[in-house]
Amino acid sequence: GAVVSQHPSRVICKSGTSVKIECRSLDFQATTMFWYRQFPKQSLMLMATSNEGSKATYEQGVEKDKFLINHASLTLSTLTVTSAHPEDSSFYICSATDWGVNEQFFGPGTRLTVL
Amino acid sequence: AQTVTQSQPEMSVQEAETVTLSCTYDTSESDYYLFWYKQPPSRQMILVIRQEAYKQQNATENRFSVNFQKAAKSFSLKISDSQLGDAAMYFCAYVTNFGNEKLTFGTGTRLTIIP
Repeated sequence: GAVVSQHPSRVICKSGTSVKIECRSLDFQATTMFWYRQFPKQSLMLMATSNEGSKATYEQGVEKDKFLINHASLTLSTLTVTSAHPEDSSFYICSATDWGVNEQFFGPGTRLTVL
Repeated sequence: AQTVTQSQPEMSVQEAETVTLSCTYDTSESDYYLFWYKQPPSRQMILVIRQEAYKQQNATENRFSVNFQKAAKSFSLKISDSQLGDAAMYFCAYVTNFGNEKLTFGTGTRLTIIP
């Protein structure tokens, strides 16, 4: 089946540093990838949609200069949290899909802790 | 805009019994997909079942089945013979059938299985 990986699974960083999270589709081409943020006991909140080779579309209220998304290939998207602060601590999940599939395949998530 | 509502924040069921989780949605589209996702403590999103809106027959996957009422915009999930491994957050989700559109999630229902 369709497998999506995320790396790292957990990351701890100091306030003010930048952190990069990778999302890879292992056995299919992901023309579109989605990045979500999930707070404890809450639903997934879509941050942005990225299509391969084009700029990401950010949801209202998400700072595009803070959460940099790159989708340079059909199998890899990256989310970079720039100048991270404690309030950025959260669980970040990516998902991937291809044209006409009408289903998203989720990565296992990345827990970010900013000290 | 499409919305998905899960009115039961928490549900519990005795092991081996049957439980039904509710979901309603609002859309002006006629062609779309509905999903139930399970998120266990590992936080990996797992697809439980999907339903295409154009299909009248309710989807089933082993112990999981849905009651899809298109006119009422209702999409409930029935879990039969509940098992301890079914304990998780369950999210109802909707997507239009226009390509790589974003999922709209409900707020989730936490299901507890009582041994």
